[in-house]
Parts: sequence; C-alpha cells; structure tokens
Amino acid sequence: GDSVTQMEGPVTLSEEAFLTINCTYTATGYPSLFWYVQYPGEGLQLLLKATKADDKGSNKGFEATYRKETTSFHLEKGSVQVSDSAVYFCALSDVNNDMRFGAGTRLTVKP
Amino acid sequence: NAGVTQTPKFQVLKTGQSMTLQCAQDMNHEYMSWYRQDPGMGLRLIHYSVGAGITDQGEVPNGYNVSRSTTEDFPLRLLSAAPSQTSVYFCASADRGGNTIYFGEGSWLTVV
Repeated sequence: GDSVTQMEGPVTLSEEAFLTINCTYTATGYPSLFWYVQYPGEGLQLLLKATKADDKGSNKGFEATYRKETTSFHLEKGSVQVSDSAVYFCALSDVNNDMRFGAGTRLTVKP
Repeated sequence: NAGVTQTPKFQVLKTGQSMTLQCAQDMNHEYMSWYRQDPGMGLRLIHYSVGAGITDQGEVPNGYNVSRSTTEDFPLRLLSAAPSQTSVYFCASADRGGNTIYFGEGSWLTVV
C-alpha cells in the first residue's frame, strides 16, 4: 500500500541555519503530498501542500516541491528560527482522502 | 468557526474500562477519521467515515468502534481499554474534494 518515509530525527540546528527534512513516498496512483507541523501540546496544522508533479508548496518560509521522478517531497527552509521548533510530518493523500503519515521529525532550533 | 473539536483532552482509564472520545466538526465535511499517534510511528488511521451512516476500518481498528449517525459527529469508543491503547488520539475531517485534512487538538489517553 501507499506509504511515506521521512528522515529520522531528532534534528538540532542553530538559529538561521538551513533546514532540509527528507521525505519520500510510495504510491500506486498520483497522491497529494503534505507537510504538517505539530507544536508542543497541540494538534497538527497544515504547513504546505502540493497536489501534482512539479508543484511547489510554500508557507512561512518553508518550501517543498513534488518530485514525481524521485518520489520525494523534501521540506526546506533557508533560515530557521527558534519558533520553528516542532515535529514535522510528511503525508500523502490518495483519491479517497485516506492519508498516510511519516513517523515525524522533531526539530529543535537553538538560539 | 470552531473547526474540529475533540473531548476530553486528557483521560486516565483503568484496564478494562470503556470510554468514548467525542469529535465534532462544524464545516459540513463528509469525511471524518480517527488517528492515533505513537512515538516513532507517526499517525496511524484507526477508522474513517465518508459520510453519515458509513464507516470503515483503517490500519489499526482492533479495540475501537465508531459510528456516524450525523455529519457533524464521529465518536470513537474503546469498549475494554488496554495499556496498548495509551496514545494520543486525533480526530480529523475533510470535504469531498478538498483533500486537505483538518485536525482536532488531540486527546491524551493513558490506560493503567
């Protein structure tokens, strides 16, 4: 079945460092791809999404490009802040709205 | 606009007890689902519903029941709680074609 594999954490960076969290997927069809963020003690919030190949999702300085040829959707940010400390989940959604999530990557940004 | 509302936020149960996690959405979404979140496992789908009167099993349905008598509500029932059900539970909803899922804030359940 469909699945998502994302980079294991935890990831610790200094403020203003460049962030990449890798995500690859396996799917039989053409899923939509998502990044969700979970701040401590809160639920998941949609960070960005892409619904077809070569689409780039972006929000709050984060970007991810839907790469069909490499089945990837890596999350990037050019300059992280302490407030970006959270757990990040890569996910895919098939045509039935069934979602599959990666295991999550915890990011800690130090001042 | 309340979005997706889950209750309770925290609950401690004894093994063998039953309880219901409530979930309600006010967005008129057809699709609703329950996930559990465990360390290193990401979110796993327990049950889902594509509309009132329709439910189906996800990846990890054992030990849980659901019903969907109205579009707004999708309660999750634990009939006989086990320590393996200690987890954080998230309810979510989505519209038919939106393919963006909205999550509740989570329910932290501990079974002792």
